Amino acid sequence: DAKTTQPPSMDCAEGRAANLPCNHSTISGNEYVYWYRQIHSQGPQYIIHGLKNNETNEMASLIITEDRKSSTLILPHATLRDTAVYYCIVRVTNFGNEKLTFGTGTRLTIIP
Amino acid sequence: NAGVMQNPRHLVRRRGQEARLRCSPMKGHSHVYWYRQLPEEGLKFMVYLQKENIIDESGMPKERFSAEFPKEGPSILRIQQVVRGDSAAYFCASSLSRTGGYTFGSGTRLTVV
Repeated sequence: DAKTTQPPSMDCAEGRAANLPCNHSTISGNEYVYWYRQIHSQGPQYIIHGLKNNETNEMASLIITEDRKSSTLILPHATLRDTAVYYCIVRVTNFGNEKLTFGTGTRLTIIP
Repeated sequence: NAGVMQNPRHLVRRRGQEARLRCSPMKGHSHVYWYRQLPEEGLKFMVYLQKENIIDESGMPKERFSAEFPKEGPSILRIQQVVRGDSAAYFCASSLSRTGGYTFGSGTRLTVV
């Protein structure tokens, strides 16, 4: 799986949009971008994933650049409960590559 | 529909004892994954199982660790002769298919004293 680079920490004001960047410059054409978050040592929670088109669900939006070398996770209206470590993971989805390779992630703190 | 259930939530073992960690996947999920998280570190993959079969154990330590996922019952991660370095949070995840998104359990925190 390709390596990802994320800032170690970020702050965001409550109610504002939180934009979390991720660089994955060595991503291959068949690798997806996944985002998970881990709230205070709980089990990681799946947020969203995409291949090359932008994606949106009830939790977040994922913007992937046209060259696919970077992406941004957007939490549109951050709340205090969004304080967590956010992991950006790239992963192929074919047989033999089911595991997720977690990096150190971005520790997002929502400020009241 | 209950999520992924792990038990116990906390487990304390003395050095040299055995630790057994259980994971019941979500209903209908036949793919189970175990991850370990040391303090202040990210999760590290250990093993991937699909009912009665170990598919990928590339992250399992060569000795003392084993995993199973029997036809009936939960998946078990077994650590024999525990040492202090085994102290960590152990997370189990399940998925409906091998390419789907995972659902993680709340983890078992193992402390070796």
